[in-house]
Amino acid sequence: GQNIDQPTEMTATEGAIVQINCTYQTSGFNGLFWYQQHAGEAPTFLSYNVLDGLEEKGRFSSFLSRSKGYSYLLLKELQMKDSASYLCAVINRGDSNYQLIWGAGTKLIIKP
Amino acid sequence: KAGVTQTPRYLIKTRGQQVTLSCSPISGHRSVSWYQQTPGQGLQFLFEYFSETQRNKGNFPGRFSGRQFSNSRSEMNVSTLELGDSALYLCASSLTGTGSNEQYFGPGTRLTVT
Repeated sequence: GQNIDQPTEMTATEGAIVQINCTYQTSGFNGLFWYQQHAGEAPTFLSYNVLDGLEEKGRFSSFLSRSKGYSYLLLKELQMKDSASYLCAVINRGDSNYQLIWGAGTKLIIKP
Repeated sequence: KAGVTQTPRYLIKTRGQQVTLSCSPISGHRSVSWYQQTPGQGLQFLFEYFSETQRNKGNFPGRFSGRQFSNSRSEMNVSTLELGDSALYLCASSLTGTGSNEQYFGPGTRLTVT
């Protein structure tokens, strides 16, 4: 079956670095997204990985290892506004269509 | 470019009633997906429409249905509402679907069933 696992909650300190992990099991992997969702708001796109390796975008980086079914989102120089939920989503390709499978999200709490 | 819009933003209904939610995608986007979000459950995929056709469907009962119009606007209908249907309903649009296109989410409709 299809499954995505993320930690439920993490806490980090302002200015520090945090790594949010995502492991997945799918039959037709075709890419992985990370989204950020602030409380009461809609998710917004952060990154997309389809090949192995690290994608860097400012303070945020995302890593993918397809052989291990593993990804992480790395947040550097944490700011209070980074307090949010981070959602991992995997594109699964079926016989005739694609479907996004979502993790339950990791709530990140930033402390001063 | 205007973002994804959803109406209404908030709804309160009673058990047994039915409800229709609306979503207008970003101009030029042909794919609209609907999700249910509840605390601790993450995003649960309902269905995806592309060019007025349902292309993908999640594991929700038949009480949940949708449609898409020629201008790509989409509606979702829930009949015979149950208390467990209380949730945030999000729609997301993308250019061609979930292959490799990022999805742009609307602000959601918060439905409360009493």
